[in-house]
Amino acid sequence: GQNIDQPTEMTATEGAIVQINCTYQTSGFNGLFWYQQHAGEAPTFLSYNVLDGLEEKGRFSSFLSRSKGYSYLLLKELQMKDSASYLCAVRSPGSSNTGKLIFGQGTTLQVKP
Amino acid sequence: DSGVTQTPKHLITATGQRVTLRCSPRSGDLSVYWYQQSLDQGLQFLIQYYNGEERAKGNILERFSAQQFPDLHSELNLSSLELGDSALYFCASNSGRGSYEQYFGPGTRLTVT
Repeated sequence: GQNIDQPTEMTATEGAIVQINCTYQTSGFNGLFWYQQHAGEAPTFLSYNVLDGLEEKGRFSSFLSRSKGYSYLLLKELQMKDSASYLCAVRSPGSSNTGKLIFGQGTTLQVKP
Repeated sequence: DSGVTQTPKHLITATGQRVTLRCSPRSGDLSVYWYQQSLDQGLQFLIQYYNGEERAKGNILERFSAQQFPDLHSELNLSSLELGDSALYFCASNSGRGSYEQYFGPGTRLTVT
């Protein structure tokens, strides 16, 4: 089966650091993605991990442990505009031109002043 | 702006009707993906096309069908509409040749009354 778990909601303070966790149990794995989605808008790509370890991109970092089926997204120096839903997604294995993504329910992050 | 376009932006129709949603991928992209996002189900993969051929299928209902045309635009056809089909429908694209990031369009909000 396919199961991706994320907390439903989180609240953090402007300027702080927040970590959003994602655990997955999927029949096959070919990479894990984090997307940001503001209400009513399209998801936008944040990060991609296929090997274990930490990927850093500006204020955002993402970590993957394939053996534990675990990832987290770390957001530093939080800004009000970071209030959004954060979606964890696993890419199913297949040929290089098959890229089905299985999404978690998303974590709604509220940043408070 | 991701470069993916979707029309119409909003669609209101009655139960039992049929609608067609249109997607134009980014210039040069061969793969098109369709997703459905409803409040209770999150973002669900429906179907993927690569260069005109179906590549992967998700939990797409038999009442739904899609195709990708020679100019690479895609259409998602929804028939015998039910209230539960009300959702945001996103199209995403990428080159499909080993690339991983999917670029999402702005979505079509379908309301079935």
